[in-house]
Amino acid sequence: KQEVTQIPAALSVPEGENLVLNCSFTDSAIYNLQWFRQDPGKGLTSLLLIQSSQREQTSGRLNASLDKSSGRSTLYIAASQPGDSATYLCAVSRYGQNFVFGPGTRLSVLP
Amino acid sequence: NAGVTQTPKFQVLKTGQSMTLQCAQDMNHEYMSWYRQDPGMGLRLIHYSVGAGITDQGEVPNGYNVSRSTTEDFPLRLLSAAPSQTSVYFCASAMGGGSSYEQYFGPGTRLTVT
Repeated sequence: KQEVTQIPAALSVPEGENLVLNCSFTDSAIYNLQWFRQDPGKGLTSLLLIQSSQREQTSGRLNASLDKSSGRSTLYIAASQPGDSATYLCAVSRYGQNFVFGPGTRLSVLP
Repeated sequence: NAGVTQTPKFQVLKTGQSMTLQCAQDMNHEYMSWYRQDPGMGLRLIHYSVGAGITDQGEVPNGYNVSRSTTEDFPLRLLSAAPSQTSVYFCASAMGGGSSYEQYFGPGTRLTVT
């Protein structure tokens, strides 16, 4: 059974820092991996999706990498801002459909 | 496009009552799914559908029914509500058939069962 973990569970950084969020999964036979952002009391917003044949994806200040063989993905946030404060979730799917989610990393960026 | 919409946003039920959570998408996505989010448990898949007329169970299907009569709509029915079904429910959709399957989520329904 696929299990997804995220480290750290919570992170507090001063504004302007670069930071890395980690996601690990136990079964490397995945179709894709997707990173989401969730603000308190809100739904999930898709940030980046990496298909199994890709190594990384970039969107603005965000860069996500995927190492399928080691079962790891990282989300790199450059020059963090207070508006980046949210919970970040990673999710993997075996066939592209049913995602298994990690518990999330709660990020606070302090002004 | 409105994307994925869910109604209602909030609902309080008494134990034993039934209700339907509505989900609709206007992106012509083949794949739709329902998750519940509980503190300390993360998001867990309840039911999913790969197209109109086709549904299947996810990780936590007990106590819930679904149907998919159209591409756009995927309602979730609680047959006899229990306090253990107090949760936040999210509907998601994705393009199917060889696409990247990027998932788009609705805003959620917060359900309390007393």
